[in-house]
Amino acid sequence: AQRVTQPEKLLSVFKGAPVELKCNYSYSGSPELFWYVQYSRQRLQLLLRHISRESIKGFTADLNKGETSFHLKKPFAQEEDSAMYYCAYCGGSNYKLTFGKGTLLTVNP
Amino acid sequence: NAGVTQTPKFRILKIGQSMTLQCAQDMNHNYMYWYRQDPGMGLKLIYYSVGAGITDKGEVPNGYNVSRSTTEDFPLRLELAAPSQTSVYFCASKSPGPRDYGYTFGSGTRLTVV
Repeated sequence: AQRVTQPEKLLSVFKGAPVELKCNYSYSGSPELFWYVQYSRQRLQLLLRHISRESIKGFTADLNKGETSFHLKKPFAQEEDSAMYYCAYCGGSNYKLTFGKGTLLTVNP
Repeated sequence: NAGVTQTPKFRILKIGQSMTLQCAQDMNHNYMYWYRQDPGMGLKLIYYSVGAGITDKGEVPNGYNVSRSTTEDFPLRLELAAPSQTSVYFCASKSPGPRDYGYTFGSGTRLTVV
């Protein structure tokens, strides 16, 4: 089955430490991958999309087709980065998004 | 430009009651989606629509119904509420075109069935 896997439910780091949120996918062909972020009790917001290769709020994510991964990274975590992060795949003709189960990131002072 | 608006924000239902979760977007997006979000489970697609008059089931459609009479509105109907439908419901929309522009989400409806 086509799947997006986020192996860590919870991730806790200290402010200033590097952070990496893992995402693996199991789709064939050319994946179209995204990272969405949800701050406490707010709506989901698009953080990154793989095709644009951009950096948002210091976060980057590189698509590694060999390892079928799209890990989200930030070299120096900030307390305001504390949130739920979802990796998602967009496929099919109707732009349906399939989400991973999410990783709750806590950045401690 | 309000984006995607969901009402109500919170609701408590008794088992067996029915309700409609409202979703409206003012961006003239063709594609609209309903997801439910459960702790530790991520978001699951309930129903989606590719335009007015066209709807289709997602991954978890049982217990729900939708309609799309206009481009702007995509209500989600719960006919006989069950405790398993306690969840946070998100509506989203997307314009046709490049996949990489992502979705616009509403602020969610937190539903509790008791």
